[in-house]
Amino acid sequence: GEDVEQSLFLSVREGDSSVINCTYTDSSSTYLYWYKQEPGAGLQLLTYIFSNMDMKQDQRLTVLLNKKDKHLSLRIADTQTGDSAIYFCAETNAGNMLTFGGGTRLMVKP
Amino acid sequence: DGGITQSPKYLFRKEGQNVTLSCEQNLNHDAMYWYRQDPGQGLRLIYYSQIVNDFQKGDIAEGYSVSREKKESFPLTVTSAQKNPTAFYLCASSIDGLSNQPQHFGDGTRLSIL
Repeated sequence: GEDVEQSLFLSVREGDSSVINCTYTDSSSTYLYWYKQEPGAGLQLLTYIFSNMDMKQDQRLTVLLNKKDKHLSLRIADTQTGDSAIYFCAETNAGNMLTFGGGTRLMVKP
Repeated sequence: DGGITQSPKYLFRKEGQNVTLSCEQNLNHDAMYWYRQDPGQGLRLIYYSQIVNDFQKGDIAEGYSVSREKKESFPLTVTSAQKNPTAFYLCASSIDGLSNQPQHFGDGTRLSIL
């Protein structure tokens, strides 16, 4: 079955770049997503990338996809304290069912 | 304002009791989903519905039931058969269940056992 793995925790200083990594196993994945979850809240869609793309940039966010290695990353430039949250990657195949990673908790130190 | 509304925000269940979590969307989305989130874990799919009057079991449907009588509403009932119901429940919707349109989430309901 599908499996999505993320590291549990990342700590960065305010103003630095953050890179959150994700690996997945389903080679038929069509879209890959990044969601942000603040404490006690639902998931906010940040960005997503189609599997035939290598990179997508949206303001401070850059998504890199290495389809050969099944590796996805989210880079947040100029990380701010408001970026502190849990970040989930998720992949979907033709059935539009999402498979989520366990989430990476990003802590931004002032 | 278009969006997904879950209620209540917090819910307490007594032993042997069924409780129903509400999810309403005004996005005109065909597909709706229920997920369960346990501490420190990702989301697991309970049930989903791609169209009114139709729904399918997800990965962890045992002890839960749903209905989809209206396009905008997808209530989830946590039955007494669910022995470990304490979790954060998230509802989502997407334009349809087929074309890989992103899922958008509500703010969740936290269910606890009294």
